Amino acid sequence: GESVGLHLPTLSVQEGDNSIINCAYSNSASDYFIWYKQESGKGPQFIIDIRSNMDKRQGQRVTVLLNKTVKHLSLQIAATQPGDSAVYFCAETGGKLIFGQGTELSVKP
Amino acid sequence: NAGVMQNPRHLVRRRGQEARLRCSPMKGHSHVYWYRQLPEEGLKFMVYLQKENIIDESGMPKERFSAEFPKEGPSILRIQQVVRGDSAAYFCASSPRDIGDGTEAFFGQGTRLTVV
Repeated sequence: GESVGLHLPTLSVQEGDNSIINCAYSNSASDYFIWYKQESGKGPQFIIDIRSNMDKRQGQRVTVLLNKTVKHLSLQIAATQPGDSAVYFCAETGGKLIFGQGTELSVKP
Repeated sequence: NAGVMQNPRHLVRRRGQEARLRCSPMKGHSHVYWYRQLPEEGLKFMVYLQKENIIDESGMPKERFSAEFPKEGPSILRIQQVVRGDSAAYFCASSPRDIGDGTEAFFGQGTRLTVV
């Protein structure tokens, strides 16, 4: 069936470094992808999205890259801060959001 | 504009009881989605509703689970005869249009169901 999966379950980075979180998806028909951040005990929070007709999209300190050839999505966080510590999910849409397993980002001071 | 409101935040039920989870979407949002999240796992789609209609319930267990989104009032996820395996966090999201159009979906804080 369709799935969205993540390469790494955990990622630990030093404060100030850049973080890269990866995601693989299997449904080549998906045309809209979203990254969510989920802090402990809270609901997912929208970070950034990208349409399939784009390769890159930038936000404030975050960049999403989409490689449709290999069905790969990544989230780059610049100058990672302690407040960025959370679980990050990629999701694809095809009428409903399909979430990946999640990557837990831990930022060391 | 208040966000998506879910209540209760925490719910404890004994095996065999019924659990009713409520979700009030954001103002102006007519699309509601329910997800279940087990500890250390991702969010699994359960059901997608519009006002008075179930659009996609492909993620709903065949028995004991039901959902509704009436013309007036919140969306309700109902679990009958709960079992320990139903213990999870249940999240609701809402959007003003179909999220397949690239519309952002906003999530509530979730209801954490514990079955004892």
